[in-house]
Amino acid sequence: DGGITQSPKYLFRKEGQNVTLSCEQNLNHDAMYWYRQDPGQGLRLIYYSQIVNDFQKGDIAEGYSVSREKKESFPLTVTSAQKNPTAFYLCASSIDGGTGTYYGYTFGSGTRLTVV
Amino acid sequence: AQSVSQHNHHVILSEAASLELGCNYSYGGTVNLFWYVQYPGQHLQLLLKYFSGDPLVKGIKGFEAEFIKSKFSFNLRKPSVQWSDTAEYFCAVNILTGGGNKLTFGTGTQLKVEL
Repeated sequence: DGGITQSPKYLFRKEGQNVTLSCEQNLNHDAMYWYRQDPGQGLRLIYYSQIVNDFQKGDIAEGYSVSREKKESFPLTVTSAQKNPTAFYLCASSIDGGTGTYYGYTFGSGTRLTVV
Repeated sequence: AQSVSQHNHHVILSEAASLELGCNYSYGGTVNLFWYVQYPGQHLQLLLKYFSGDPLVKGIKGFEAEFIKSKFSFNLRKPSVQWSDTAEYFCAVNILTGGGNKLTFGTGTQLKVEL
């Protein structure tokens, strides 16, 4: 079955460490997105990528970095510069960045990151 | 920057009650509008979407939403809720600027349906 796989499901990080969250899709979608979900704040866009080797900052990109070397993969690194990284992180994809939202996004099951 | 407001943060209803969740957005141009639902422990799922045409759109599980352009609103409705509708509901807006698609989400409404 096609879909988005996020791993790990739970991740614990010590303060000062960088961690990388994985997002892989086998839907042949061009566009991929990272959102952060916090209680009472909804989903906020961190980074998005419409095509391979290209990505743009979202609304809350500070303290995060991404890469898009392959169409199917869009890993997110939470750096030590992110002051409040404990959150639920969701990856999504859409058919393409131009018209993909006609079909909506497909979301992964998320990674819950906790800083200890 | 565009924003999306969901004014009801927590809603508690009894089964068979009618539901209306408010959603307002702040952008005067062309938009695509969505409602997503997140059931406990599950992925976000698309409930319904509006692109153009009939402003009353019907989605899955008996939900519908009405786009009122003059009010910048896209409220979600269901005539009779069920216990299984307990979930968090998110309104989302995509602005058609040619600069790429990215959804802006509201803060969500937590719906609890009691038996």
